[in-house]
Formats: sequence, structure tokens, C-alpha cells
Amino acid sequence: DIVMTQSPDSLAVSLGERATINCKSSQSLLSNSDNKNYLAWLQQKPGQPPKLLIYWASTRESGVPDRFSGSGSGTDFTLTISSLQAEDVAVYYCHQHYGTPLTFGGGTKVEIK
Amino acid sequence: EVQLVESGGGLVQPGGSLRLSCAASGFTFSNHWMSWVRQAPGKGLEWVANINRDGSEESYVDSVKGRFTISRDNAKNSLFLQMNSLRAEDTAVYYCARQYYFDHWGQGTLVTVSS
Repeated sequence: DIVMTQSPDSLAVSLGERATINCKSSQSLLSNSDNKNYLAWLQQKPGQPPKLLIYWASTRESGVPDRFSGSGSGTDFTLTISSLQAEDVAVYYCHQHYGTPLTFGGGTKVEIK
Repeated sequence: EVQLVESGGGLVQPGGSLRLSCAASGFTFSNHWMSWVRQAPGKGLEWVANINRDGSEESYVDSVKGRFTISRDNAKNSLFLQMNSLRAEDTAVYYCARQYYFDHWGQGTLVTVSS
């Protein structure tokens, strides 16, 4: 099974400041056949289902603000919120769809400092 | 607009069964793999099972193999999860989600396994 390890478990950031979340997979998520990283980032606000933010490691989903960006390749990935807004308070999950069982990181809770 | 609406959750005793349904609309259901993902109270996300476009291929997380069965009816744009021999640790909100990268989710249905 591919294990997804996120860090930190939680972080508190001031409004307008940068938030960085890391995700490491136990094996490469880069496909040789299409040169894509099978890594997505999801945002979950309290009482709501998760929402897709980023797919293929760095492609922003339609409608997602451009303050959210994804980077990385292979086994190491990062989600960056360039200027934290109040509405960004949520838990963020990385997710690999390279192989079954599909797996998620443990989540990172982002709060306002 | 893509919509996924789950139903069928509820309170069940250990060892009991439930059948969850997910009604899909707003997209060509038969073109997409689909998954069930669950979230225990206060915990993270756990993928449960998925099924390919025509229903001929299924995969499961080890903890539900032999107890849960995923299926679909493309004529009715519906996804199902038959859950047997339920355990307390199956208590969770169950979401249906569209693959590959879970771009759409339902609101979830709560399954509580307790005596």
C-alpha cells in the first residue's frame, strides 16, 4: 500500500501570510506512461464534504482561487496558500490515485493565528 | 451541475446489514469510475471501494473485503454499497465520489453501528 504522510498535523498562520503543507508518499506517484503525478489536494471545511483543489499535483481545479498552488513530483509534494484568508480555515488532505488501495494523508488543520 | 446524493444510512446493530445508494446526475455516469470513501467521527478520510465504468472491476480496502460489495446501475445512474457483518469500527459518514481524483463528492450519509 502507498502510505501518504502529511506534515505538519496543524498550523496557525496570520491572515495574509503564507501557509505550506507537505505530503510525502512511500513510493513514486509519477507515471512513466503519461508523465503525470497521481496526487491531488482536497480541502474539507467543518460539516462539509471534501472539495478538490489541485490535481495532477499542480493543476488547479476550476474555480479555485489562485492563492492555492501545488508543486512537487515523485514522492514529495507541497500545497501552498500564498495569502491566507479567513475562509481557508479547513483541514487539507493529500490523496494518491496511482494505485489501489487509494490512500489519503492524515490531514493538516489550518487555523488563523 | 454534477450532483451526487447518498441515502440509506442509519443505526444498525453489530452484525447487521445496510445498503447505501448514491444517485448521480449532471454528468454521463457510465463514463466514470466511482468510489465510496468514509470518514469516522473526528477522523480522516478512508477509501472503501471503487468500481469501473461498466461494473466489471471492483477493488476494496482490506478491512471491508468479504463484507462489503460495491455495484452500479448505469441505466439508473446509481451507485450502491452493500454492507454486511457490520462492526462498530464501520461507523462513519460514507461519501460517494467521482474518480479519478475525486472531483465531485456527495454530502454523505451517516452509518452508526451500535447495540
